[in-house]
Amino acid sequence: AQKVTQAQTEISVVEKEDVTLDCVYETRDTTYYLFWYKQPPSGELVFLIRRNSFDEQNEISGRYSWNFQKSTSSFNFTITASQVVDSAVYFCALSVSGANSKLTFGKGITLSVRP
Amino acid sequence: SAVISQKPSRDICQRGTSLTIQCQVDSQVTMMFWYRQQPGQSLTLIATANQGSEATYESGFVIDKFPISRPNLTFSTLTVSNMSPEDSSIYLCSAPRGSSLSETQYFGPGTRLLVL
Repeated sequence: AQKVTQAQTEISVVEKEDVTLDCVYETRDTTYYLFWYKQPPSGELVFLIRRNSFDEQNEISGRYSWNFQKSTSSFNFTITASQVVDSAVYFCALSVSGANSKLTFGKGITLSVRP
Repeated sequence: SAVISQKPSRDICQRGTSLTIQCQVDSQVTMMFWYRQQPGQSLTLIATANQGSEATYESGFVIDKFPISRPNLTFSTLTVSNMSPEDSSIYLCSAPRGSSLSETQYFGPGTRLLVL
């Protein structure tokens, strides 16, 4: 069975601070896919990134960066110079048997960025 | 990114009634998924809907309570039957979109359901 653990439940930072959201996953499959989604107060789930298990290259997209480490089964997400608009719930998710298969979600991390 | 729409966006229903939620994808997909997000909680998969076959339900969810239709490759419905206040949640549909190398799951905007 798959499992995603987001140990942090709520994080509060002041604008312009850097913040890292942790994600630890468990699976016996050798091929799997990891995702991060953002859920702003509007409720819509916004896709941020997909990472394959065979691609450990870290990724940067603007102020967002992701650190994937298979050795520690972690897929952490860092927001640099946080902004108020980053305030949302962030979910890490895992799928096996293809990126088009069902997702197992972590419990989510509520990020509050104060001006 | 994919365009996935849901109707209704929100509803307030009375106990014992049923609500059917519609999900429309902008292109053909083999699988569609229905998730439930209870207040302040994470997303839990209800069922996988394949076109041309019965939906596959996750543990704790049954067809009598959450019947699903999948009449074609771009559309699905989820019905929440005989509702109780515990069914108050956001219901989201999702579908995989993109090329084989970048395929990922996109979500509809969700249906916020309040059962009184």
